[in-house]
Amino acid sequence: KQEVTQIPAALSVPEGENLVLNCSFTDSAIYNLQWFRQDPGKGLTSLLLIQSSQREQTSGRLNASLDKSSGRSTLYIAASQPGDSATYLCAWKYALNFGKGTSLLVTP
Amino acid sequence: DADVTQTPRNRITKTGKRIMLECSQTKGHDRMYWYRQDPGLGLRLIYYSFDVKDINKGEISDGYSVSRQAQAKFSLSLESAIPNQTALYFCATSDQTFSTDTQYFGPGTRLTVL
Repeated sequence: KQEVTQIPAALSVPEGENLVLNCSFTDSAIYNLQWFRQDPGKGLTSLLLIQSSQREQTSGRLNASLDKSSGRSTLYIAASQPGDSATYLCAWKYALNFGKGTSLLVTP
Repeated sequence: DADVTQTPRNRITKTGKRIMLECSQTKGHDRMYWYRQDPGLGLRLIYYSFDVKDINKGEISDGYSVSRQAQAKFSLSLESAIPNQTALYFCATSDQTFSTDTQYFGPGTRLTVL
């Protein structure tokens, strides 16, 4: 079974900080990687999809990178805001394998 | 209207009862998925379907069955519910194209088995 690991499990930062969430996977085969956001009790919303041929994707204050050789992806959030507070999940291999997520709290 | 809908949104049932959770989508996607989410265990795949005639088991399919009635409909059944099936269940869809396989999730069904 392919493993997807997210570190840290939880993170609390003051508003305005830049932060990095990490996702690692055991299978470096040619698949895409997707980052999601989940608000409490709600469904998941896709944030960024990095195709297997790409190294990074950007959307607003979010930047996701993919390094297949090391089996890692990072989600960078610039100038964090309280509205960014949520759980962030990464998924590998067409979203068939999910990490357990990083719970982010941004305090005013 | 939402692109991916799930019914019911909440359900409380008793051990041994048969339960069906329904998912409908208006995105025109061929691929549909059922996941369950438990605290501390993350999101786990139960079943997935890449088209109407294709059904595949996921990581935790035991105790569950599915039916793909049409491109737009994918139902999950618990033949005889047990308490450890208490969880939040999500349906999702995605485009058939591998390179752009963004997933779209429904709002979830909270199931409690007493």
